[in-house]
Amino acid sequence: DAGVTQSPTHLIKTRGQQVTLRCSPKSGHDTVSWYQQALGQGPQFIFQYYEEEERQRGNFPDRFSGHQFPNYSSELNVNALLLGDSALYLCASSLFGTTSTDTQYFGPGTRLTVL
Amino acid sequence: QQQVKQSPQSLIVQKGGISIINCAYENTAFDYFPWYQQFPGKGPALLIAIRPDVSEKKEGRFTISFNKSAKQFSLHIMDSQPGDSATYFCAATAQYNNNDMRFGAGTRLTVKP
Repeated sequence: DAGVTQSPTHLIKTRGQQVTLRCSPKSGHDTVSWYQQALGQGPQFIFQYYEEEERQRGNFPDRFSGHQFPNYSSELNVNALLLGDSALYLCASSLFGTTSTDTQYFGPGTRLTVL
Repeated sequence: QQQVKQSPQSLIVQKGGISIINCAYENTAFDYFPWYQQFPGKGPALLIAIRPDVSEKKEGRFTISFNKSAKQFSLHIMDSQPGDSATYFCAATAQYNNNDMRFGAGTRLTVKP
């Protein structure tokens, strides 16, 4: 049973470019959340997708957008990249509506470097 | 945005010793407090979690102590092993908002053989 998978593993972009990161949730999960983890910091919640809609959003600008597909996989898009967007981007999947948040599983992340 | 404060930033413990990491939170609506373990190049993995209706939870060598009135909780790792060397994050969330998890800044634990 595959866990949460993310691609690519590493990515290097330059300022002003756009980037798309991808996530496939754990089998049986229908909800995907994205987090940004800056070096030496804890993850920060970006947004959550369920039923192909953004359900919740953290304190991130509109340059960060996402999408969820009918198969529950998800994409994170970041436009007009800034140096400060360099971070590890984590995807976490869960089952919507469960009362226990024990079911939130994280992927290995995508390391984005903006030059 | 950070509503969970974690200390210490780094911790060095001898093999067999006790590792203690502390966290404090602000939002009284938080009702679920997990600890995550993260190894280099990996995503965080849930280690142990507690809800505020109990003051302590133990799973093997890992124990969470929770003080609701002080809005503090801590992770104790008994008989620390070199394999426990990792970064540990405390987190908190409100059940109605269960995927907007607020994380501490992390503690880098090194267990020396």
